[in-house]
Amino acid sequence: AQSVTQLGSHVSVSEGALVLLRCNYSSSVPPYLFWYVQYPNQGLQLLLKYTTGATLVKGINGFEAEFKKSETSFHLTKPSAHMSDAAEYFCAVSEGATNKLIFGTGTLLAVQP
Amino acid sequence: NAGVTQTPKFQVLKTGQSMTLQCAQDMNHEYMSWYRQDPGMGLRLIHYSVGAGITDQGEVPNGYNVSRSTTEDFPLRLLSAAPSQTSVYFCASSSRTSGRARSSYEQYFGPGTRLTVT
Repeated sequence: AQSVTQLGSHVSVSEGALVLLRCNYSSSVPPYLFWYVQYPNQGLQLLLKYTTGATLVKGINGFEAEFKKSETSFHLTKPSAHMSDAAEYFCAVSEGATNKLIFGTGTLLAVQP
Repeated sequence: NAGVTQTPKFQVLKTGQSMTLQCAQDMNHEYMSWYRQDPGMGLRLIHYSVGAGITDQGEVPNGYNVSRSTTEDFPLRLLSAAPSQTSVYFCASSSRTSGRARSSYEQYFGPGTRLTVT
């Protein structure tokens, strides 16, 4: 069965600093991996996804993630944090042919001025 | 294009009451699903549907019923509300590839329903 682990339920960075949110997955098949963002009192919005091909994936708002099969990781990064990046971020893996998503427990990102 | 809509936005129920959370999408998506979000637990799948007339259970289905009579609508019914069902509920939809290939299509989420059971 697939699973997702997000290390660090809370991450705090200064504005302009590097953002690194960690995600490790477990999957018996080549994974499809997703990062979603949730702003306060809103639904989830797709940031980026990895299916096949290039392992460095670029998403919206300057975020990117790299699929590393040897490390079973899909960490999310952004070179320079902005106050508007404060939100909760979820990593997810797609399970089988049913479109089911298995989510991590989320990382709440705070950006300090 | 409204996307995925959910009603109501907020609801307070007493233990034992029943209610239906509504979800609709106007993108002609085959796949629809319901998740609940609880602090520190991420999103957990309650029920899902791969098309009209087809539903299946997710990770936490107990206490909830669903039906899918049309492509557009996927209501979630709480049969007898319990305090453990206090949560934020999200509906999502996506396209689905044909055949057996896993879908890489993103899921579109509604704005959520915040439910409190007292």
